[in-house]
Amino acid sequence: EIVLTQSPGALSLSPGERATLSCRPSQSVSSTFLAWYQQKPGQAPRLLMYATSSRATGIPDRFSGSGSGTDFTLTISRLEPEDSAVYYCQQYGRSPRTFGQGTKVEI
Amino acid sequence: EVQLVDSGGGLLQPGGSLRLSCAASGFTFSSYGMSWVRQAPGKGLEWVSYISGSGGTTYYADSVKGRFTISRDNSKNTVYLQMNSLRVDDTAVYYCAKDLTWLAYFDNWGQGTLVTVSS
Repeated sequence: EIVLTQSPGALSLSPGERATLSCRPSQSVSSTFLAWYQQKPGQAPRLLMYATSSRATGIPDRFSGSGSGTDFTLTISRLEPEDSAVYYCQQYGRSPRTFGQGTKVEI
Repeated sequence: EVQLVDSGGGLLQPGGSLRLSCAASGFTFSSYGMSWVRQAPGKGLEWVSYISGSGGTTYYADSVKGRFTISRDNSKNTVYLQMNSLRVDDTAVYYCAKDLTWLAYFDNWGQGTLVTVSS
């Protein structure tokens, strides 16, 4: 199975700053098959990005995604307090669909 | 608006059985695959099982194969997860999630239901 390694494990930033989250698959993943989710405490995950750089419905343009192969990035520009959450990447190109271990973002 | 409501969780002993349900609304249920994804306490996300819109195709994670069975009733807009031979490491919040197709991202999630397996 494809293992996704996320870094850093956690980061603490101030409102208005930029967050850069990394996701590195153990095997090459087509950019068509990489998604990001946001999970706040006590809540279900919410789809943020799919196909690496496409924002899901209702996601503000402060969130952007990029990358290919074995190196993907989620960028949150102009952080807001409500962005505090754990962020997971996921590959859905090969079975089993797998998730990274998450990056906790504290604002 | 898409809504997924998970239910059926509880506390039970190792070796026990439980059936989870996920009631869906707000979309044409039979046109979409559905999955179950779980999250052990304080841990990350693990895909568990998938069922196609017709119910004719199912897939399972190796960790649950032979013990769990996914099914759906399109007349009731509900997907189920029958869990047998439960183990302590099956303890998790179980989420149902709407799939576009097999090997797709999860665009909507239920609120989750907690399954605790403990002696």
